[in-house]
Amino acid sequence: EIVMTQSPATLSVSPGERATLSCRASQSVSSNLAWYQQKPGQAPRLLIYGASTRATGIPARFSGSGSGTEFTLTISSLQSEDFAVYYCQQYNNWPLSFGQGTKLEIK
Amino acid sequence: QVQLVQSGAEVKKPGASVKVSCKASGYTFTSYYMHWVRQAPGQGLEWMGIINPSGGSTSYAQKFQGRVTMTRDTSTSTVYMELSSLRSEDTAVYYCARGVYSGNAFDIWGQGTMVTVSS
Repeated sequence: EIVMTQSPATLSVSPGERATLSCRASQSVSSNLAWYQQKPGQAPRLLIYGASTRATGIPARFSGSGSGTEFTLTISSLQSEDFAVYYCQQYNNWPLSFGQGTKLEIK
Repeated sequence: QVQLVQSGAEVKKPGASVKVSCKASGYTFTSYYMHWVRQAPGQGLEWMGIINPSGGSTSYAQKFQGRVTMTRDTSTSTVYMELSSLRSEDTAVYYCARGVYSGNAFDIWGQGTMVTVSS
C-alpha cells in the first residue's frame, strides 16, 4: 500500500498571502495525484488531477506541481473561502490512498 | 446537473449491517466507476472500494474484505454499499464518489451518509 504523507499538518497564513502545501508518496505514483478541498460539514471537492491540471471551475490561484513522490499544491493569494482542509490522493495503485490532510487556517 | 444523492443517516447496533444507497443523475450511469470513501469523525478520508456500474465488478480495500458488498441497479442508476458486522470504529460519514481520469480520481461526491454504531 502506498502511504501518502502531507506536511505541515496545520498551516497558518494571512489572507492575500501564498500558501504551499506538500504531499509525499512512499513510492512513485507518476503523475496520478489529485488534490481535494474539504470544508466543515461538506464533501471534498476536486481541485487538481494529474498532479497539475485544475478541475473544472477551479480558480487559477490554485496550482499543482510535482511527479513521482513529491508534490506541491500552491494557492497564490489566499481568499477567505480557501481556509479549509486539503487532502492529496494517489490513484496510481490500488488500494487508493489519501494523505492525512493539511488544515489551512487564518493567521 | 450531475449529482449523487445518498440515503439518510443510520443508527445501528454493534454486529448489525447497514446498506447505504447512492443515486446518480445527470450523466450516463454505466460510463463511470463509482467509489466509496469514508471519514470517521475528525479524521481523514479512507477508500473502501470500487464498483463498475456497467458490469457490476468490484474491488475492495483489504481492510474491508469479507464485510463490505457493493452492488448496483442500472434500472434506477443507483449503487449500494453494505457493511456488515458493524463495530463502533465504523462510525463515520460514508461517501460515494464518481471516478474519473483513469477512473480513480473523484470529481463528483455524494452529500455523505452518517452511520453511527452504538449500543
